[in-house]
Amino acid sequence: DGGITQSPKYLFRKEGQNVTLSCEQNLNHDAMYWYRQDPGQGLRLIYYSQIVNDFQKGDIAEGYSVSREKKESFPLTVTSAQKNPTAFYLCASSVQGSSGANVLTFGAGSRLTVL
Amino acid sequence: AQSVSQHNHHVILSEAASLELGCNYSYGGTVNLFWYVQYPGQHLQLLLKYFSGDPLVKGIKGFEAEFIKSKFSFNLRKPSVQWSDTAEYFCAVNADSGNTPLVFGKGTRLSVIA
Repeated sequence: DGGITQSPKYLFRKEGQNVTLSCEQNLNHDAMYWYRQDPGQGLRLIYYSQIVNDFQKGDIAEGYSVSREKKESFPLTVTSAQKNPTAFYLCASSVQGSSGANVLTFGAGSRLTVL
Repeated sequence: AQSVSQHNHHVILSEAASLELGCNYSYGGTVNLFWYVQYPGQHLQLLLKYFSGDPLVKGIKGFEAEFIKSKFSFNLRKPSVQWSDTAEYFCAVNADSGNTPLVFGKGTRLSVIA
């Protein structure tokens, strides 16, 4: 089945540590996205990538970094510079430039807790 | 910049009651509009979308939404809710170019009680 796989599902880290969240898709989608979900805040865009080796900052990129070396992979690193990293992180993908543009397919999410 | 407002944070309804969740957006150009749903413990999934044409769109599970351009609104409706509709609902918008990321509202939590 095609879809998006996020790992790990749950992650605990100590303050001051960087952590990388994995996102892999086998949908052959061009675009990939990272959103952060907090209670009562909805989904806020962290980073997105429309093509391999290119990515753009979203609304809340500070303290995060990404890479897009392969079409199917878009890992997110939560750095120690992120002031409030405890959250639920959602990865998504979509086709680009067609009538299906921006119909997002989401992964199951990764819940990060900073102790 | 685009923004989306969902007026209700938490809605509690009895089974068989009618549902309407409000969504307003701010953007001057042509937009694509979406409703996504997140059932407890499940992935976010698309409920329905509007790109163009008939402003009344029908989605899965008996949901529908009406795009009213003059009001910048895209309210979600269902005539009769079921307990299984308990979920969080998100309205989203992006500019019609189709290559800009979706902007989401803060979500509305729906609780349906028997």
